[in-house]
Parts: sequence; C-alpha cells; structure tokens
Amino acid sequence: ETGVTQTPRHLVMGMTNKKSLKCEQHLGHNAMYWYKQSAKKPLELMFVYSLEERVENNSVPSRFSPECPNSSHLFLHLHTLQPEDSALYLCASSPQHRENPYGYTFGSGTRLTVV
Amino acid sequence: GEDVEQSLFLSVREGDSSVINCTYTDSSSTYLYWYKQEPGAGLQLLTYIFSNMDMKQDQRLTVLLNKKDKHLSLRIADTQTGDSAIYFCAENPGGSYIPTFGRGTSLIVHP
Repeated sequence: ETGVTQTPRHLVMGMTNKKSLKCEQHLGHNAMYWYKQSAKKPLELMFVYSLEERVENNSVPSRFSPECPNSSHLFLHLHTLQPEDSALYLCASSPQHRENPYGYTFGSGTRLTVV
Repeated sequence: GEDVEQSLFLSVREGDSSVINCTYTDSSSTYLYWYKQEPGAGLQLLTYIFSNMDMKQDQRLTVLLNKKDKHLSLRIADTQTGDSAIYFCAENPGGSYIPTFGRGTSLIVHP
C-alpha cells in the first residue's frame, strides 16, 4: 500500500459511456497528477494539480475531464472515449509541485479498456 | 530523439549483479530517479540522486551518475527473482518541475 489508492482497478466501458476514475492520497501531499501508460510508449503526463488548482494540461482531449475537489482527492471523468484510450491510468502525488526532489508516489492504476 | 533513453530488456541469472543503464539529455537536470514497476502495480520510487553526487548506495542498490556523459546507472547486487520488474529512469530537467521518464527496462531474472 503506497498511500495513493485508485479505484476501480479495472474498468471496461463502451464508447458512449460516462465513467469516472478516482484517486485518493493519505500522505498529506499538495500536488496530484494523472498519467497515461500505454504499451510501448513513454509515460504521458495528462494533468497536474497543485493545491487543488490545475497547473498543467498537456494537450489532453476534452473527453478527459479532471476534477480536484480537495488536496486528497482527484478524479478523471471519461466520456465518449475511443479504443485508443485503452491504457493504464496512473495517479501520483508529491509533497509539492515545485522544487520537489523527492519524486512521486504512484497508485496501482486503473486498467481501462474501451470497447 | 527521446530525452531519456534506456534499453528495453535485460536478462540476468539469479544471484548475479544487474546493471541498468540510462542516458539523459539535459545537463542542467538537478534530480535523477529510478522507479520500479511490478506487474499490475504503479511505479514505486526506488532511489534518487542529486546532480552534485557521483554515487549513492542503499543496501543492494548502487546508483552511479556520470554528469559529463549524462549517464545514470542502477546496479542491483545479488539479483533475486523478486527483482523482476520494469525499471524506469527519470530526470527533472532544469527549469521544469515535471520529470521526464524513459520507456523502462524490463529486468528478467532466471534461475
């Protein structure tokens, strides 16, 4: 248990569905992140939140919508996804976004399959 | 080319030492990291090294940094089957707060 919990662990959804991924951290960290991990590709940073404010949005399609209601919770709302969006979605947190030498703490990820 | 490069696979015999190599491009990187990802799990931070250090040792792990060649390595002594995983190198490029990850090296440990 890393202190970063992601639910669900697995999700299968149709292209017309709406679903949400949830991430919760119990580490007292102030920054949270969404990453996409696809086979044969480097980790792709999607969104960065620092003190509940979005500070990075890496050209992610609007069918992915993040939400950070407080510093402990992060959501990724999904709608009208495409099969190429199938991947492992990883949430991470860090004590702070800027001047952070200590790296990230990752959750176990949500394995998403779009059919 | 990619900012952080790693070979994709490494196969070692149980009990031997493993050396996983990484090259990066930003000479102003301040922190460099090694993460481990086991099947079905997220990335776990193994160790990190500041750019003003040449070496860091932590039990079976030794990190070597050659700033001149922008080369980082992770040595695992007495490799065990439980060390089988994907190992990611990452750098914090100067002027950026976002780490750049390599594609990962799959370490396969066989008896």
